[in-house]
Amino acid sequence: GAGVSQSPSNKVTEKGKDVELRCDPISGHTALYWYRQSLGQGLEFLIYFQGNSAPDKSGLPSDRFSAERTGGSVSTLTIQRTQQEDSAVYLCASSFDRTGEQFFGPGTRLTVL
Amino acid sequence: AQSVTQLGSHVSVSEGALVLLRCNYSSSVPPYLFWYVQYPNQGLQLLLKYTSAATLVKGINGFEAEFKKSETSFHLTKPSAHMSDAAEYFCAVSAPGSNYQLIWGAGTKLIIKP
Repeated sequence: GAGVSQSPSNKVTEKGKDVELRCDPISGHTALYWYRQSLGQGLEFLIYFQGNSAPDKSGLPSDRFSAERTGGSVSTLTIQRTQQEDSAVYLCASSFDRTGEQFFGPGTRLTVL
Repeated sequence: AQSVTQLGSHVSVSEGALVLLRCNYSSSVPPYLFWYVQYPNQGLQLLLKYTSAATLVKGINGFEAEFKKSETSFHLTKPSAHMSDAAEYFCAVSAPGSNYQLIWGAGTKLIIKP
């Protein structure tokens, strides 16, 4: 079956613009995670969705960041008024449940000029 | 709260030599522990995981890791390095108190010398 997919694979934007990053998790996976990976850094947790529960937004770095997950499947991460420090690879992962192995998508490389 | 420390941002070994990548964790409850690998320009892939069963865990590509509670360690080893093992390796911990979120180490880049 298909793995986790993310689009776009690369996004170049100008400072101050809004961007939307999309994640299609593996079908049937109830848990979905967004992470950010900056150059030379480990992964930074951003947000976590589990089924129909309220998302855990504790990792979002500012109120410019938001995410939603529609119908328990596709998720969109939105960054408003992008800043240069937002440049990073944004990774999405899904798992069957919150204790299961997380399967990662290939990521979206965001460059803010 | 959980945390993970990976000793050495870069580790260099000769082809055929032992690979040892170190990971120490802190957790107030029994954790789940993971090693992921990221090959150049690719996504993250699970190598192996510890979930309170056998303390010696075997993973893909000949890697294994041993959970040592007394040392709070989960070091990754491979008896003989291959050129194709060159990648970045990440250790991660999750636990019930953190909604099973993965807390990540900073990663160790493994360099294989011919």
